[in-house]
Order: sequence, then structure tokens, then C-alpha cells
Amino acid sequence: EVQLVESGGGLVQPGGSLRLSCAASGFTFSSYEMNWVRQAPGKGLEWVSYISSSGSTIYYADSVKGRFTISRDNAKNSLYLQMNSLRAEDTAVYYCASGSYFYWGQGTLVTVSS
Amino acid sequence: SYELTQPSSVSVSPGQTARITCSGDVLAKKYARWFQQKPGQAPVLVIYKDSERPSGIPERFSGSSSGTTVTLTISGAQVEDEADYYCYSAADNNRGVFGGGTKLTVL
Repeated sequence: EVQLVESGGGLVQPGGSLRLSCAASGFTFSSYEMNWVRQAPGKGLEWVSYISSSGSTIYYADSVKGRFTISRDNAKNSLYLQMNSLRAEDTAVYYCASGSYFYWGQGTLVTVSS
Repeated sequence: SYELTQPSSVSVSPGQTARITCSGDVLAKKYARWFQQKPGQAPVLVIYKDSERPSGIPERFSGSSSGTTVTLTISGAQVEDEADYYCYSAADNNRGVFGGGTKLTVL
């Protein structure tokens, strides 16, 4: 069974940092491109970042470029999102999803507030 | 442009056909995907490559494309289809964009 399980969310003050993780199982993680997608409370979906299967190609939404860093460890079947200089508008549920979007995690909530 | 525009809401009676449109210049060059999201749940892919249906998705869900507009059609909508629906596409550089979402009401 394919599973993507996010972790690392929580409450952080503006300007702070947080690292999200996404643990993959049930498929050959190293062969899959991956994405992070977020959803602010009561709002729509927003694509955040993309990483190729090898990690050599990376893209970011303009809203997070320069503040967020996506990475992966294929040996550990894990995807990461390092989030720095967090702002109130980064408050959202963060989902990891396979590149094809066939597989999604359940999401982890990040709240940026003082 | 890399914007995708959807109607904010669509309403149908059970058994009727629901159609949700999504418009954007990128759709003339790139495939679209459609996602269904119910409250408190992660999105579920219901259509990819404009009109392909993943295994496990009911046949009443179909997709079509014409120029810069794609359409999700739910033939014989059921109460359990009530959800938010999002279209999605990716530009040449794999930067993704979602439509604003459409709330489908079936009652």
C-alpha cells in the first residue's frame, strides 16, 4: 500500500524556521518526482515546490523562493521542506504529493503566529 | 498566463450532469489534472492528461479539453460527489498552478 506521511508541522513565531518531512512507503520513491502543496485555512490549493527523482532539478513558487528549500534522501525514502523566515501567510496545511499527484499524504499543519 | 480560472460554485440535483470549467492560456499547451477534495481530507486525483481516469475513479467522472479550456463532467452526479474540485496544470518548467477551486453542491 502506498503511503506518504508528513510530519514536522506545528506553531512557530514569525521569522522562525521549521522542517517538514514526508516518509514514503509502498512504491519506489527514488523513481518518483515529488511536490509540496499547501492549503491555507479555508482557501484553495497552492503548489509550493517540485523536486525531480534524483534531486537535481528543483522549482519553487515565487511566494516561497529564497525562503524554502526542498530536498530528498532516496536512501531514506524521505522528502523534506526546510522553511525559513516564516510569515503569517505561510500558515497552511502542507501536503507532499508524488509528481504525478496520484499519491498524497494526509498533510501537516503549520501555524505561524506570535 | 499561468493562471487557471474556475467558477466558484456549481449546483446540480442528484442524477443531473455537473460540468466544471477551467480556463487558462497554459491549457492550450499543457495537460490538466482535476482533483476532488472533501472537507478535512487530502485531495484525490480524478482526471489526468485532460481526460484519463485513474483506477478506482467512477466512470461518471470524465474530462475534456478545447483550446484554453478544460471541463470536468460528472454524469449522473451523486450526493457523495459533493466536494471542492480543483484543476491543475504545470508550465514548461514544472511550476504548478491550481485553479481557485469550485464548490460542487448536489442537492
